[in-house]
Amino acid sequence: GAGVSQTPSNKVTEKGKYVELRCDPISGHTALYWYRQSLGQGPEFLIYFQGTGAADDSGLPNDRFFAVRPEGSVSTLKIQRTERGDSAVYLCASSFRKGTEAFFGQGTRLTVV
Amino acid sequence: GDSVTQMEGPVTLSEEAFLTINCTYTATGYPSLFWYVQYPGEGLQLLLKATKADDKGSNKGFEATYRKETTSFHLEKGSVQVSDSAVYFCALSDNTGGFKTIFGAGTRLFVKA
Repeated sequence: GAGVSQTPSNKVTEKGKYVELRCDPISGHTALYWYRQSLGQGPEFLIYFQGTGAADDSGLPNDRFFAVRPEGSVSTLKIQRTERGDSAVYLCASSFRKGTEAFFGQGTRLTVV
Repeated sequence: GDSVTQMEGPVTLSEEAFLTINCTYTATGYPSLFWYVQYPGEGLQLLLKATKADDKGSNKGFEATYRKETTSFHLEKGSVQVSDSAVYFCALSDNTGGFKTIFGAGTRLFVKA
């Protein structure tokens, strides 16, 4: 596609439920990043993929969070046993390769009630 | 660890006024520095960047100079327009290992006609 696409754009879920957030990067981009942005804050790094592998997952807050990119393109961020504190906008970005400009999607707004 | 500090907002200016948004950083290596902009209802976009000391990034009338001696990357524009109203994020990326981009908290700019 023309840009980074994230689905859904909004997700409301109940505390304790499991959610999946999807990111379609720009075609041909090998690097993919997930960030979380809380209200009034800057994006906070979660995880970075180079191809299919997670090159840096140091930003994942705990083991309830997991992300995959099985074919080196689409990525899914998975959150188990959601908590109200997980409510935020989850941003995905991709770049042609490590170190080049990253292009961001519009994000998925997750609300845990 | 690496961090970015930028001036708190909101900043309110009249059209054609001079803009400065201060940004300072802490990094162990030699990061690249960025300014991103988020217009209302849109995703994050790269505004400008500088990859080494004394480099000046510029775009759309905005400028920022990478100052290693003061660890700063202040954003400036000589004459702002209403259409510049947005949230501006200063960021740095580690050029050594991965490409983890660390963002400041953002500064909201309102420009009045």
